[in-house]
Amino acid sequence: DVVMTQSPLSLAVTLGQPASISCRSNQSLVYSDRNIYLNWFQQRPGQPPRRLIYKVSDRDSGVPDRFSGSGSGTDFTLKISRVEAEDAGVYYCVHGTHWPPPLTFGPGTKVDIK
Amino acid sequence: QEHLVQSGAEVKRPGSSVRVSCKASGGTFSSFAISWVRQAPGQGLEWMAGFIPVFGSIMYAQKFQGRVTLSTDESTGTAYMQLSRLTPEDTAVYFCRGGSYRDDTFDVWGRGTLVIVSS
Repeated sequence: DVVMTQSPLSLAVTLGQPASISCRSNQSLVYSDRNIYLNWFQQRPGQPPRRLIYKVSDRDSGVPDRFSGSGSGTDFTLKISRVEAEDAGVYYCVHGTHWPPPLTFGPGTKVDIK
Repeated sequence: QEHLVQSGAEVKRPGSSVRVSCKASGGTFSSFAISWVRQAPGQGLEWMAGFIPVFGSIMYAQKFQGRVTLSTDESTGTAYMQLSRLTPEDTAVYFCRGGSYRDDTFDVWGRGTLVIVSS
């Protein structure tokens, strides 16, 4: 089974400074169609998850361009170029697509803004 | 853009069942795959099951096999997730998630349904 790990598990970032979260899988995430279905989700308190990035580096509609995703194979990174107050929350790296499942979630990284 | 509207919070006794609904604002799931994901209080996210209503294709996480039943009402564009033999460990917010089964270009979530299991 795919296992996703993230580091750090919590992060305090000064407003306007960059932030970076790493995600690692225990096996290659390259799918049979040669895509890598690696997503990044943001979850603010009391809200559902919101997808920011899909297929490693594609940004969802409406996601600010300060969010970027990169990586290959088993190592992936989410970067926020300049953190804003609204970026506080928990960020999950997630392997999987809508079909076929499953979705495999990382443990989450809690981001606080200083 | 499509929205998913979920049913309200439930309080259930151990051993009973709960059914959570998820309605597509557009009234149809014709091109959707729907997943159900839960989140226990203060915990991370856990995928439970997914299906394509128009094809009837269903997949379950092994942990929930035999306890989860997925269904749809095509006439109202509503998907249902029923979880049986509830225990207090099933206390969680249950989310439905939707997107095209053809590609990954959009992703939409319901706001979640809190299910509390308590005697």
